[in-house]
Amino acid sequence: GAGVSQSPRYKVAKRGQDVALRCDPISGHVSLFWYQQALGQGPEFLTYFQNEAQLDKSGLPSDRFFAERPEGSVSTLKIQRTQQEDSAVYLCASSLAPDYGYTFGSGTRLTVV
Amino acid sequence: GESVGLHLPTLSVQEGDNSIINCAYSNSASDYFIWYKQESGKGPQFIIDIRSNMDKRQGQRVTVLLNKTVKHLSLQIAATQPGDSAVYFCADYPRGSGAGSYQLTFGKGTKLSVIP
Repeated sequence: GAGVSQSPRYKVAKRGQDVALRCDPISGHVSLFWYQQALGQGPEFLTYFQNEAQLDKSGLPSDRFFAERPEGSVSTLKIQRTQQEDSAVYLCASSLAPDYGYTFGSGTRLTVV
Repeated sequence: GESVGLHLPTLSVQEGDNSIINCAYSNSASDYFIWYKQESGKGPQFIIDIRSNMDKRQGQRVTVLLNKTVKHLSLQIAATQPGDSAVYFCADYPRGSGAGSYQLTFGKGTKLSVIP
């Protein structure tokens, strides 16, 4: 597609439930990033992939968060045993190269109840 | 820790007027700055960027000014239109993090409202 596609757009999870958020980057984009955006805040870095390699996961808030990009294209962000504080918009971005401009998707809004 | 922040959380301007959105950054190692526009329900959209070896860069109706002495960044929007209503974020790329990553650090954002 022409842009970064994320699914689902909205997700409501009960506390303790596991969720999986999908990102389809722009075709050919080597770099892929995940960001978390709390309500009224700027996005915060979670993790970065270059092709299939996860080069930086320093922003993942806990070991309940896990991201993968096994074939260097589609990426999945998984959150285990969701907590209320996980409620946020999860944004995916991709770029041709690490220091090239990002293109963001529209995000997945996760609400944990 | 060091962060990128914004002076004003909200800004209201009359349609046709010029808008100025300000941003302060604290990371002296920052060498690349980007302004993003985020409309409701959408992801951030790139507006304009500037590298630390420049102090001004112009785009279509937008100008970014960088003052490295006081670590200040501003976005100027000329002839503001209703479609400019959004939240604007500055973001910072600290080069040489050594982590093999290219994390953007975002500020909290300024909400721009254009009055018709």
